[in-house]
Amino acid sequence: EVQLVESGGGLVQPGGSLRLSCVASGFIFSDFSMHWVRQAPGKGLEYVSAIAFNGKDTYYADSVKGRFIISRDTSSNTLSLQMGGLTPEDMAIYYCARIGTHGWYDFWGQGTLVTVSS
Amino acid sequence: VLTQSPATLSLSPGERATLSCRASQSVRNQLAWYQQKPGQPPRLLIYETSNRAIGIPARFSGSGSRTDFTLTINGLEPDDFAIYFCQQRDKWPYTFGQGTKLEIK
Repeated sequence: EVQLVESGGGLVQPGGSLRLSCVASGFIFSDFSMHWVRQAPGKGLEYVSAIAFNGKDTYYADSVKGRFIISRDTSSNTLSLQMGGLTPEDMAIYYCARIGTHGWYDFWGQGTLVTVSS
Repeated sequence: VLTQSPATLSLSPGERATLSCRASQSVRNQLAWYQQKPGQPPRLLIYETSNRAIGIPARFSGSGSRTDFTLTINGLEPDDFAIYFCQQRDKWPYTFGQGTKLEIK
């Protein structure tokens, strides 16, 4: 059974940093590209960042470029998102999502909430 | 930009739901639909306009091309009342519509 379990969310002050993790199981992690997608409370979905199956290529939404870093560790089947320079606009539930064989988000984690407030 | 309409759709169980997603420029057939219930992540329903994802009932169908897409749900069941998002992957970055809330009338 495919599982994606996020952690690392919490309350952080504006300008602060946070590291999110997503542990994958039930599939060969190194075979799939992975994304982070966020959802502000009561709002729609927004792509944040992506990393290729082999970790060699990374992509970022303009809104987070230069502040967030995506990475993956095949030895621990973990996807990470290092977030810095956080603002209230970054406050959201952050989901990790797998890009399936058809190229779409076929599995999602339950999400981890990031709150940015002083 | 993906624009979904209506923002809210009020229907009764057993009725047919028709949800629209319009793209500001052609996305060819590179469009998917997701269902999201409160407190849950989205679930993939339809990909590449009309292909049902694994385990999705046949009452869900997708159609359209280029800029105009439709998700149709025949014979609404109580479990279908949720928020539905469309998403394109034809152009980077991937983008989502703002969602249509399907509520019980």
